Amino acid sequence: DIQVTQSPSTLSASVGDRVTITCRASQSISNWLAWYQQKPGKAPKLLIYKASSLESGVPSRFSGSRSGTEFTLSISSLQPDDFATYYCQQYNNYPWTFGQGTKVEIK
Amino acid sequence: EVQLVESGGGLIQPGGSLRLSCAASGITVSNNYMSWVRQAPGKGLEWVSVIYTGGDIYYVDSVKGRFTISRDHSKNTLYLQMSSLRADDTAVYYCARTIGVPGYYFDYWGQGTLVTVS
Repeated sequence: DIQVTQSPSTLSASVGDRVTITCRASQSISNWLAWYQQKPGKAPKLLIYKASSLESGVPSRFSGSRSGTEFTLSISSLQPDDFATYYCQQYNNYPWTFGQGTKVEIK
Repeated sequence: EVQLVESGGGLIQPGGSLRLSCAASGITVSNNYMSWVRQAPGKGLEWVSVIYTGGDIYYVDSVKGRFTISRDHSKNTLYLQMSSLRADDTAVYYCARTIGVPGYYFDYWGQGTLVTVS
């Protein structure tokens, strides 16, 4: 199985901060990676697919990038609504696997 | 508007069986790739199974031989039949539309249904 290692597990930040979350895949997955946001008690919400494609309706402050097997989700200016847990997901091989999650907390 | 509504969760003893349902509106289940994804309490997400429009099916190894994904076109509903349930199957189970070609990610999710094996 492809392992996806997400870091950090927790991130404390303030409104207006630039935030970066990283996922590293255990082998090449091309650009087959998605990012999701999940709030407590709610279903995940798709933010980014194919490493850097923004899902319709998602604010442009969210962006994704790739360098080899390392993928990054960036939030350019953190907003109050962005405090949540973020997950990456690889879909290059079965089983599709998720990172462990990054909780973005208020500093 | 796409809506996915799961039901069928509950408390079940180890070794028992349960069938989850996911009723869809705004999309036709049989015309879409559909998946089940689960989340154990306080844990991360785990993809469980997918059914493709052509009928191909895949499972994560931990549920192979115990879980069966299926759909009913007339009811526009996705199912997950779970048997030989174990404590580590305890989770919120989400159904999700799966976007394919290229890639297989999840754009619409239900609200989830909790399965507790104890």
